[in-house]
Amino acid sequence: AQTVTQSQPEMSVQEAETVTLSCTYDTSESNYYLFWYKQPPSRQMILVIRQEAYKQQNATENRFSVNFQKAAKSFSLKISDSQLGDTAMYFCADGSSNTGKLIFGQGTTLQVKP
Amino acid sequence: KAGVTQTPRYLIKTRGQQVTLSCSPISGHRSVSWYQQTPGQGLQFLFEYFSETQRNKGNFPGRFSGRQFSNSRSEMNVSTLELGDSALYLCASSLVGAGGYTFGSGTRLTVV
Repeated sequence: AQTVTQSQPEMSVQEAETVTLSCTYDTSESNYYLFWYKQPPSRQMILVIRQEAYKQQNATENRFSVNFQKAAKSFSLKISDSQLGDTAMYFCADGSSNTGKLIFGQGTTLQVKP
Repeated sequence: KAGVTQTPRYLIKTRGQQVTLSCSPISGHRSVSWYQQTPGQGLQFLFEYFSETQRNKGNFPGRFSGRQFSNSRSEMNVSTLELGDSALYLCASSLVGAGGYTFGSGTRLTVV
């Protein structure tokens, strides 16, 4: 069965510093995508970054980047220059290209402190 | 362009009743999926529809059902509500499955 594990329930970081959120996954699919979603208190799920498993290059979106280690089934999110608006719960998710189904981790609550 | 719209935002129902939630996807998106989010179980996949066909279903009882219309709008129905059905129900749409889903703001269902 597909599983996604986020081992850090809560994290905090000072404004302007860098933080890394961890995620491991287990899938038998050969063609899959990995995602990081952000859910602020408004509860809107916002896509932060996406990685296609067939691409070796790590995805980057402005201050957000991932470290995708396919063999280790690891997919961590690095947030640089943390801002107060980054305070939210972050979910790692794994999705097969054919099933339309996302498997989510339990989430990591990130607090950015001024 | 308009995002994914879920209605209603909040709902309070009594045990034993049934409820219907609605989701309007982004224009042109043909895949719609539903998730249940609770503090204890996290985010769990309910089902996914693509071009009016259910392609995949999560591990939920038959009281949970859904459908998709020709305009890609989707509804989910929960019959014989139980207290444990209290949750945030999220809908997400995509052009094709798993390529990148855009979520709605959710419907907060409370069963009393």
